[in-house]
Amino acid sequence: EDQVTQSPEALRLQEGESSSLNCSYTVSGLRGLFWYRQDPGKGPEFLFTLYSAGEEKEKERLKATLTKKESFLHITAPKPEDSATYLCAGPAGNNRLAFGKGNQVVVIP
Amino acid sequence: GAVVSQHPSWVICKSGTSVKIECRSLDFQATTMFWYRQFPKQSLMLMATSNEGSKATYEQGVEKDKFLINHASLTLSTLTVTSAHPEDSSFYICSARGDGGGYGYTFGSGTRLTVV
Repeated sequence: EDQVTQSPEALRLQEGESSSLNCSYTVSGLRGLFWYRQDPGKGPEFLFTLYSAGEEKEKERLKATLTKKESFLHITAPKPEDSATYLCAGPAGNNRLAFGKGNQVVVIP
Repeated sequence: GAVVSQHPSWVICKSGTSVKIECRSLDFQATTMFWYRQFPKQSLMLMATSNEGSKATYEQGVEKDKFLINHASLTLSTLTVTSAHPEDSSFYICSARGDGGGYGYTFGSGTRLTVV
């Protein structure tokens, strides 16, 4: 069964304290791994899609990387507005996505 | 970029009544739409997948007669929660995927359903 596991579940960071979020997956024949940001009471907002090992993508203070077995979302010098839940997802057949439980990030001023 | 509009944002209904949630793709044709349910501090649970003009495919454990899904056009899908009960209270989110290649999934803003 395809699975997506994220760690840590929750993370508290001081403003400016860089850190990384992990997403490991057991999706056979991976055809893309997705990162989304979700704010409370809102739908997920697309961040990145990664397709092949070694691929990296950046957006402001966020950088996503992909290896054969896992993906990392690096948050560099975070600000309070980066507080959110970050969701990782992989294709699960029939155009569906399988989501991890998310990384809840709180950035303290 | 691709935009998905979901309405209403929140709804309160009495137990036993039905509620309809709409999901529209505003600037692209959504060949496939997805409906998710999310409990507090939990991840998204896929309920069903719908393709335009076809019957929805429900995930295991999701009651087809309680959660009616209609995908009548390439830009509109609806989820109707029938005979709602307090345990149906949740955050419902739709997602749409176009037919333009790649794996772009765009999400709506979600609907908070409270059944009293």
